Amino acid sequence: DAGITQSPRYKITETGRQVTLMCHQTWSHSYMFWYRQDLGHGLRLIYYSAAADITDKGEVPDGYVVSRSKTENFPLTLESATRSQTSVYFCASSELGLTNTGELFFGEGSRLTVL
Amino acid sequence: DQQVKQNSPSLSVQEGRISILNCDYTNSMFDYFLWYKKYPAEGPTFLISISSIKDKNEDGRFTVFLNKSAKHLSLHIVPSQPGDSAVYFCAASEGLDSNYQLIWGAGTKLIIKP
Repeated sequence: DAGITQSPRYKITETGRQVTLMCHQTWSHSYMFWYRQDLGHGLRLIYYSAAADITDKGEVPDGYVVSRSKTENFPLTLESATRSQTSVYFCASSELGLTNTGELFFGEGSRLTVL
Repeated sequence: DQQVKQNSPSLSVQEGRISILNCDYTNSMFDYFLWYKKYPAEGPTFLISISSIKDKNEDGRFTVFLNKSAKHLSLHIVPSQPGDSAVYFCAASEGLDSNYQLIWGAGTKLIIKP
């Protein structure tokens, strides 16, 4: 089915471990985004990508690494997880950035707990 | 310092009545505003948007009003239905070609009572 999928949906890990959250979209959208959602903060942009091999930092990039070797995939890696990275992570895509309506298409989210 | 604020964490409204969700912003450079709706265990979905050149945009039961002088926008849902129970996020950007940095409010949980 067409859409945007995230995996895993739930992950528990320990401080210091490396974790990779996967994001895959089937629309061939140029733009992809990673957000984190924390209580009281709304969504905050971690990284975004305008096309394959082009990535840029968002508001809260520290502690995260991204890559985009293929248009459809945009993995997010926490190289050494910390408790402050416990959050719900959302991947999103868009054909033309914010487009004419500002619509981003979101995945269902990945809930990460760092112990 | 939150640039987009949704001061009501939750709102309870009777089915059939009007729901009004509010959003305030501080950055005068914001010129495009969006509302997203989020159900539990799902990602946000786009609801409606408005450009700063307008003061109102309507889509079916949903209307967004923008008051630039007050740096305030509101989302009206009329009539409210049980399926409208969700968390509503307000977001803003400095234009559609602004490096895609949407700034989000913390959300308001809307509960529609039968």
